[in-house]
Amino acid sequence: SQKIEQNSEALNIQEGKTATLTCNYTNYSPAYLQWYRQDPGRGPVFLLLIRENEKEKRKERLKVTFDTTLKQSLFHITASQPADSATYLCALTGGGNKLTFGTGTQLKVEL
Amino acid sequence: EAGVAQSPRYKIIEKRQSVAFWCNPISGHATLYWYQQILGQGPKLLIQFQNNGVVDDSQLPKDRFSAERLKGVDSTLKIQPAKLEDSAVYLCASSLDYRTGIYGYTFGSGTRLTVV
Repeated sequence: SQKIEQNSEALNIQEGKTATLTCNYTNYSPAYLQWYRQDPGRGPVFLLLIRENEKEKRKERLKVTFDTTLKQSLFHITASQPADSATYLCALTGGGNKLTFGTGTQLKVEL
Repeated sequence: EAGVAQSPRYKIIEKRQSVAFWCNPISGHATLYWYQQILGQGPKLLIQFQNNGVVDDSQLPKDRFSAERLKGVDSTLKIQPAKLEDSAVYLCASSLDYRTGIYGYTFGSGTRLTVV
């Protein structure tokens, strides 16, 4: 069966460090992969989209990699800040722009 | 630009009652989605509309859930009768026309449903 796996344990890091979150998938051949941020009591917010033929994409302090051979995406936040604390969701796109989400990883950035 | 509007924000009902949620997407967004998010899980797609037509409702429990988008703008999701396991946040999202490309979604804040 198709699976999208994100680390269910919270990731705690110190302010200023780089946070790296992992998304692994099985039995998918996604054309696109997206990352979203979700704060408590709010809907997910779109961050980045990367295509299968792109290896890396950047946006300000964010960087996403997409390895279709390893079936893995890495999401990096450089110079992390307490305001980056949230749950980060990985989502894969198949046909029809239908997004299937992982369970998310909670990030806590401590002073 | 105004975001995706959803109402109500919270709803508590007894099992076997009915409930309806409303969503108004971003103006110009042809594609609308309803997701169910159970605590601790990622959102799960219930139904996808393209204008006023259904693109995908394969995960909608049709014996109790229904949704419509009659004029291709706002949408209503209904549950009748509700079960305890329907307790979740119901998220509405919209995007530009998926037939022209792949786009990020814009989500509303959701409706938190508690069935007691």
